[in-house]
Amino acid sequence: EVQLVESGGGLVQPGGSLRLSCAASGFTVSSNYMSWVRQAPGKGLEWVSVVHSGGNTYYADSVKGRFTISRDKSKNTLYLQMNSLRAEDTAVYYCARVSDCGGGRCYLNFDSWGQGTLVTVSS
Amino acid sequence: QTVVTQEPSFSVSPGGTVTLTCGLSSGSVSTSYYPSWYQQTPGQAPRTLMYSTNTRSSGVPDRFSGSILGNKAALTITGAQADDECDYYCVLYMGSGIWVFGGGTKLTVL
Repeated sequence: EVQLVESGGGLVQPGGSLRLSCAASGFTVSSNYMSWVRQAPGKGLEWVSVVHSGGNTYYADSVKGRFTISRDKSKNTLYLQMNSLRAEDTAVYYCARVSDCGGGRCYLNFDSWGQGTLVTVSS
Repeated sequence: QTVVTQEPSFSVSPGGTVTLTCGLSSGSVSTSYYPSWYQQTPGQAPRTLMYSTNTRSSGVPDRFSGSILGNKAALTITGAQADDECDYYCVLYMGSGIWVFGGGTKLTVL
């Protein structure tokens, strides 16, 4: 069974840093596209970042240059390093597995989600 | 900046049919955007409903269907039930490793 468990959220001051973790089971993180999606309180979903199975990484403009996505093959875990945090980064952060391409077809959807971890940026 | 548009809210009667749409601020949505749809109840993680325009995720009842209608992606719910009342999000793949979510539609069943 595929399972994703996020951790590392909490209260941080503006300008501070935080690292989120997403421990996976039931599949291999490094063999899949993996993504972070966030949701500010009372707002909609916002795509944040993706790491491809080959290692390429991509970011939303709102976090580019401040956030870094990475993974640890030995721990089967996805990470999001968040620096220079702003009040507008306050959100629940979800990790999600991305169904990419296979068998001549592409899907490019978020097929499994964690339960999320709350990040609050406030003084 | 590309904006993905969704109706902010929609209402449907129990047993009725409703079609939610997902468009672009500029241009038309096609299957090349790999539109997918997610259902979210308050306090819960999103649940995948539909992907690649019209493929239902495992366990999703067949009263949910996806399509391209005109220049938008669409999610149709036939025979709406009370527990369909929640938020629905679409997301489009823009290429170059980038996805953009729509603002979501709050569906009321009454």
